[in-house]
This record gives sequence, C-alpha cells and structure tokens, in this order.
Amino acid sequence: EAGVAQSPRYKIIEKRQSVAFWCNPISGHATLYWYQQILGQGPKLLIQFQNNGVVDDSQLPKDRFSAERLKGVDSTLKIQPAKLEDSAVYLCASSFRASGLTDTQYFGPGTRLTVL
Amino acid sequence: RKEVEQDPGPFNVPEGATVAFNCTYSNSASQSFFWYRQDCRKEPKLLMSVYSSGNEDGRFTAQLNRASQYISLLIRDSKLSDSATYLCVVILRNYGGSQGNLIFGKGTKLSVKP
Repeated sequence: EAGVAQSPRYKIIEKRQSVAFWCNPISGHATLYWYQQILGQGPKLLIQFQNNGVVDDSQLPKDRFSAERLKGVDSTLKIQPAKLEDSAVYLCASSFRASGLTDTQYFGPGTRLTVL
Repeated sequence: RKEVEQDPGPFNVPEGATVAFNCTYSNSASQSFFWYRQDCRKEPKLLMSVYSSGNEDGRFTAQLNRASQYISLLIRDSKLSDSATYLCVVILRNYGGSQGNLIFGKGTKLSVKP
C-alpha cells in the first residue's frame, strides 16, 4: 500500500516569498492533517480536514498560511509571505476513519522548509 | 505549563540496557495515549498505544496512570536500532465526534551505543 506522499521534499526560499506544499494521502483516508515541526520540538497541528471540510484550523496562522483540500483527496498548504520563523518540517498525515476518537495517523516524509 | 511534557534527554545507554521514558500531560480530558518513534530526518511512526491496564509489545512496555496524568515507556535489552527520538502523544476528548487532535511532546532522544 502506498504511503502518504509529499512534495517537494526540500525547499529554500527568502523571507517574504511564497511557497506551497502538496500532500497526497493514503487512498481512502478521509482525514488529512498538516503539522509543523520546528527543530527540537514535537509536531504541532496546523489544520485538520475531514473529506473536503475543515475540522480544526485553530492553530493555523491565517494571516499568512492557507490550506485547501478541494476534492477531498490531495491537499496544498501555502505560506505567503514566509517569515524566518516558518523554517520547519511540514508533515502531512492521514487517517482512515471520518469519525471516531482514535485512529492511527500515517505521516508522510515531510517537506523541509528553510527561510533565509 | 505545557500540555505534554517529557524527560529532556538525551539518553545515552549501552546495548542491552533498560531505559525508561516518562511523560506527563496537563489536560485531564485527554483520552488516548501513544508513543511514536521518530528517526533522524524521518517522519514519526506509531510505536504503540498506551492503555490503562498497561501493555507490552516485545521489549517495549507502556504504562498509563490517569490519576497522576503520567505515561511511561520502558525499553528492555536496548538495541542499536532503538536509537531514535520517542514522542509522547495524547489525544483530547473531542465531543464533536471527529477524531481528536494529536498533541505531541517535544520528544526524548535515545542513543544506544555498542
């Protein structure tokens, strides 16, 4: 079974530039998550989708971050404009069930963003 | 107080050693508990769930104490391949019916030496 796919794997940009990340979850997984992992920290949830709807975006810095999952399958996360503190690994994860309190989340390899 | 706190580490142990990681969580509404493993420059992967009755998977034993809001992971007979960062994870109860969000600790780095 193919895992969660993410691209690009690495991205280097200058501050104030824009960047977009793409994620394709495991086939059939209803729920998709974007996490930000800063060096030395655990992953922090940015946004959670259930099919094509947003379940939780309370920790997404909406002045500069946006995300969409228009057809309920793949998703994009955008940062515009980027700041130095956005340097991190952006992890996408997916889980099978559309509801239920516990379900295994499978993570993609992540996109390592460096903002100069 | 952080929602999930872990031992600062790093833990440097010889092969064959027994090592224990501790984790505390602040929100009593936390419902589900896990240990994830993250290798250097890799994504986190589920190691094991943690149940109130305690559970074991080979050399790994996880314990949960809800009264003390405390989770532990014990690794016996450490192998070189156990070297990784171990992340304590909790899920808060989500009354909306959808899956609660994973809240990660900072992780504890383990280095097993020959």
